[in-house]
Amino acid sequence: AQSVSQHNHHVILSEAASLELGCNYSYGGTVNLFWYVQYPGQHLQLLLKYFSGDPLVKGIKGFEAEFIKSKFSFNLRKPSVQWSDTAEYFCAVNRAGTASKLTFGTGTRLQVTL
Amino acid sequence: EAGVAQSPRYKIIEKRQSVAFWCNPISGHATLYWYQQILGQGPKLLIQFQNNGVVDDSQLPKDRFSAERLKGVDSTLKIQPAKLEDSAVYLCASSRDSGRSTDTQYFGPGTRLTVL
Repeated sequence: AQSVSQHNHHVILSEAASLELGCNYSYGGTVNLFWYVQYPGQHLQLLLKYFSGDPLVKGIKGFEAEFIKSKFSFNLRKPSVQWSDTAEYFCAVNRAGTASKLTFGTGTRLQVTL
Repeated sequence: EAGVAQSPRYKIIEKRQSVAFWCNPISGHATLYWYQQILGQGPKLLIQFQNNGVVDDSQLPKDRFSAERLKGVDSTLKIQPAKLEDSAVYLCASSRDSGRSTDTQYFGPGTRLTVL
């Protein structure tokens, strides 16, 4: 079974700082990778996803993630965070193919200070 | 378009009582998911429906949890009897296509269950 590790549980940054959140997965086959975000008081929503092609994926609100197959990683990045990026971020993975369940990491709480 | 609807938003019960949660997915979405999110953890899939059939219920504690999706639209998740460790947020999600692994899942607001 696949698993996902998010090593940063709580990250505090000042506005305009650069962000990188780590995500590593364990599964030897072909995978799809996702980052979901939950803003305070809101639903979980998709930030970006990768399933094939260019390993550098761009999502909403200036976020991007890079799939590095050799490192089993899918780290999330943003060059300059804003206070409104304060949220909880979840990395998720599933096996490529039909009807494959999504496995989530434990999440990283990002707090951006003014 | 309207999002995934869930009710109730909050529920407090005593252990050994029963409880039911309701979910209405986005109109036209074929696949419906129920997740359990315990505090400090990521969501864990309990059951996945494709239309009104079960695709994956491998992590559903079937001795106490049950779910149905009659007519392939809305769904209910029931716990009977509840245990203290069932305290969690129960999330419902739906996706448009029939079980493609690349589908985006759209989540509802969740139901926060507290078992005393």
